[in-house]
Amino acid sequence: DAGVIQSPRHEVTEMGQEVTLRCKPISGHNSLFWYRQTMMRGLELLIYFNNNVPIDDSGMPEDRFSAKMPNASFSTLKIQPSEPRDSAVYFCASSQLGQGNEQYFGPGTRLTVT
Amino acid sequence: KQEVTQIPAALSVPEGENLVLNCSFTDSAIYNLQWFRQDPGKGLTSLLLIQSSQREQTSGRLNASLDKSSGRSTLYIAASQPGDSATYLCAVPYGGSQGNLIFGKGTKLSVKP
Repeated sequence: DAGVIQSPRHEVTEMGQEVTLRCKPISGHNSLFWYRQTMMRGLELLIYFNNNVPIDDSGMPEDRFSAKMPNASFSTLKIQPSEPRDSAVYFCASSQLGQGNEQYFGPGTRLTVT
Repeated sequence: KQEVTQIPAALSVPEGENLVLNCSFTDSAIYNLQWFRQDPGKGLTSLLLIQSSQREQTSGRLNASLDKSSGRSTLYIAASQPGDSATYLCAVPYGGSQGNLIFGKGTKLSVKP
C-alpha cells in the first residue's frame, strides 16, 4: 500500500486566497483525521470522519475552515479566506477503528500564507 | 480534560547508550497509547501502539510500557544509534473515543556518534 497520500506537499499563498488540501487515506481504513502542527501549539486534531461522516469537528478553529469526505478514498480541507496565522503543517491520518486503531500519517502539507 | 506531557523536551546521548523517554497523561480512562517518531520536515511514523489491556509492546530495539493507573508510559530504546535521532511523540485518544488523539509536545532525541 502507498500509505496516506497528501497533496500538495507545499503551498504558498497570499492572505485572502482559498486553499484546498487533499488527502487519500489507506485503502480499507474507515476513519480519517486532519491535524495541524505548529511550533507553538504542537499537533492538534481539527476534524475526524468515520465511514465518511464527520464525527468530531470541535477542533476546527473557525468557519473559514471546512472539510469534506465525499467517498472513502478522498478528503479535502479547505480554508477560505486564508490568513497568515493559518501557516502550519497540515497532516492527514487514517486508521481502521475497531481493529487496533493504529493511526498512519501522511507526509503533510506545509502551508505558508503571506 | 486530557493532558499529555513528555519529559524531557530534549535529550542528547552518546551512541550505544540505552535510554528511556517518558510520557504522562492525566486521564487514565484511555483506549490505547501510541508512540510516534517524527524526523525534521517529515510526517509521523507509528512506532508502537499499546492497547489499554496490555502492559508493554516490543519492536526490535524499542520497548514501550503502559501503566494506566499511574498515567504513565515509557519508551525504552536499546543500544541507541545516530539514526534514532528524531522527535518522539506519544498520543492517547481522548473523550472516551478510539480515534481522537491528543499529543504530547515530544522529546527531541539526538544520538551523537
